[in-house]
Amino acid sequence: AQSVTQLGSHVSVSEGALVLLRCNYSSSVPPYLFWYVQYPNQGLQLLLKYTTGATLVKGINGFEAEFKKSETSFHLTKPSAHMSDAAEYFCAVILIQGAQKLVFGQGTRLTINP
Amino acid sequence: DAGITQSPRYKITETGRQVTLMCHQTWSHSYMFWYRQDLGHGLRLIYYSAAADITDKGEVPDGYVVSRSKTENFPLTLESATRSQTSVYFCASREDTITGELFFGEGSRLTVL
Repeated sequence: AQSVTQLGSHVSVSEGALVLLRCNYSSSVPPYLFWYVQYPNQGLQLLLKYTTGATLVKGINGFEAEFKKSETSFHLTKPSAHMSDAAEYFCAVILIQGAQKLVFGQGTRLTINP
Repeated sequence: DAGITQSPRYKITETGRQVTLMCHQTWSHSYMFWYRQDLGHGLRLIYYSAAADITDKGEVPDGYVVSRSKTENFPLTLESATRSQTSVYFCASREDTITGELFFGEGSRLTVL
């Protein structure tokens, strides 16, 4: 069973519009949650993470994500998209029960239209 | 320069040949990882290492061999390359903290003909 699911392999928004990238996890115990970004021809870099504490997490470049236990979700948002946000975004989890390895979702490619 | 470097960045080989992808990090991080990235699959873990001389299988280890004789190096070897191993390979490292950030190399694009 897939531990983490990203809804939508490709999302397209206009510059200045809201960005919403969806991520759901499947675990009875809330995992540690991460968002990574990959710019073209580069490796991944960490945007933000949730481990414990405040459920709204702020990351780099104006992104934030909210952990919602009742919805088993960790959606990534940014109020106003910029052309430089065009990239591939990966949600990832570490399941607290089990092997405790980082497992990535399939990725969502974000396109910004001028 | 500090960081994590992979070599070669691009490699074309033929079916049945042995290929080694190199990974070097300068932070002395305990953990190192090899992932492969394929369209529709995201990143899948091949092997990881918790310290020198300690390695373990990930999600897709078949056809790959790793070693870690020194903390800073973590080479990945395809003993007999197959076309299904055509992919982009990423090496990553992190400190000995389960929630720590993974630092990725720029990737090695391997094509097996």
